[in-house]
Amino acid sequence: DADVTQTPRNRITKTGKRIMLECSQTKGHDRMYWYRQDPGLGLRLIYYSFDVKDINKGEISDGYSVSRQAQAKFSLSLESAIPNQTALYFCATSDFPGQGKHEQFFGPGTRLTVL
Amino acid sequence: LAKTTQPISMDSYEGQEVNITCSHNNIATNDYITWYQQFPSQGPRFIIQGYKTKVTNEVASLFIPADRKSSTLSLPRVSLSDTAVYYCLVGGITGGGNKLTFGTGTQLKVEL
Repeated sequence: DADVTQTPRNRITKTGKRIMLECSQTKGHDRMYWYRQDPGLGLRLIYYSFDVKDINKGEISDGYSVSRQAQAKFSLSLESAIPNQTALYFCATSDFPGQGKHEQFFGPGTRLTVL
Repeated sequence: LAKTTQPISMDSYEGQEVNITCSHNNIATNDYITWYQQFPSQGPRFIIQGYKTKVTNEVASLFIPADRKSSTLSLPRVSLSDTAVYYCLVGGITGGGNKLTFGTGTQLKVEL
């Protein structure tokens, strides 16, 4: 979905390096999420934010940190990258649930390789 | 967290109806059931969502029995372009994001 963009799309780095993945959205949504996808494990939630002043840990937050710079921007950082953080990372956004519907809109993903 | 279980893969032919079942035995009262579709090198895309009974939209139907311990995504008359991974997601709508749990996905392959 072009309304949710991620940069970079691909990144190769070395163990111990600091890496930042950025997500921007033009959908005007308050809620933003970071997921990690590994083969055979589906998508796992790393962090989520329901508004600019709200940050919450997800299922697998160890080794990651996030920053919600503005409603439209949500960054994921790996302070000291390690090889088992090699994965496909997705950012997603959603609006406040209305009429019982909760749809997340995903970005195109960032493929990160840690050597 | 509500754990979900789906078949790893399914094969079908064009024009057939495909039913993918997701098991979620410990679904909570506030949890909704959502299905997403994912093509290679793309982010998942919302297909359908429901709480109980049956929901139908322009692309799929979702069947949820009374006990809500499972759900079935039904894709009518599939085509080659329906080849993708389908994820069952169980989570709260107004609750915390840590209650959003994706299954491992079902790889659907549609052939001629």
